[in-house]
Amino acid sequence: DTGVSQNPRHKITKRGQNVTFRCDPISEHNRLYWYRQTLGQGPEFLTYFQNEAQLEKSRLLSDRFSAERPKGSFSTLEIQRTEQGDSAMYLCASSAQTATEAFFGQGTRLTVV
Amino acid sequence: AQSVTQLGSHVSVSEGALVLLRCNYSSSVPPYLFWYVQYPNQGLQLLLKYTTGATLVKGINGFEAEFKKSETSFHLTKPSAHMSDAAEYFCAVSPPTSGNTGKLIFGQGTTLQVKP
Repeated sequence: DTGVSQNPRHKITKRGQNVTFRCDPISEHNRLYWYRQTLGQGPEFLTYFQNEAQLEKSRLLSDRFSAERPKGSFSTLEIQRTEQGDSAMYLCASSAQTATEAFFGQGTRLTVV
Repeated sequence: AQSVTQLGSHVSVSEGALVLLRCNYSSSVPPYLFWYVQYPNQGLQLLLKYTTGATLVKGINGFEAEFKKSETSFHLTKPSAHMSDAAEYFCAVSPPTSGNTGKLIFGQGTTLQVKP
């Protein structure tokens, strides 16, 4: 399967703990995006990478959130000191530089208890 | 700032009936327009997109959408609903301006229910 892969699919954590999610984009895609989707809402943009450079961050991305894309391949999204409000589906998407559409992974569902 | 409005958070149709899901956008420049479908606990799958050219675009699974600049709309239709069409549908826009990052702005989604 050469689609976007996200791990883990589900994560349950206690409030205050740190969590890290991984996204493996489609191999030839140099653009990578993270979105957050809460129940009953559309996805909201969090951040965008072109290769290894993080070029845009949403104001939704508080200082507890950090994303990296070392070597322009896979990406990680870390949430420090999780709060119940962080409970959501975290979606990763990738696209080619010249493409107009993005391809999404299946998401990581985070539950903070 | 661009925004997307999907009219009707829930739409219910009978199997075989016409499906119409509404989407309006707010933008000073016509954006690129997309419809995505999401099945429970899954990611988003692209149904169709409009960038330039023909304003009636056809997508997968028999869906199509028409871009109407004068109405700032991009409504999604399917002539005959199938049970397997039951899902959440999202309209999204992306600005076509120079330096476009491909970032998507989504509507709140419409849940399509198909009754037998």
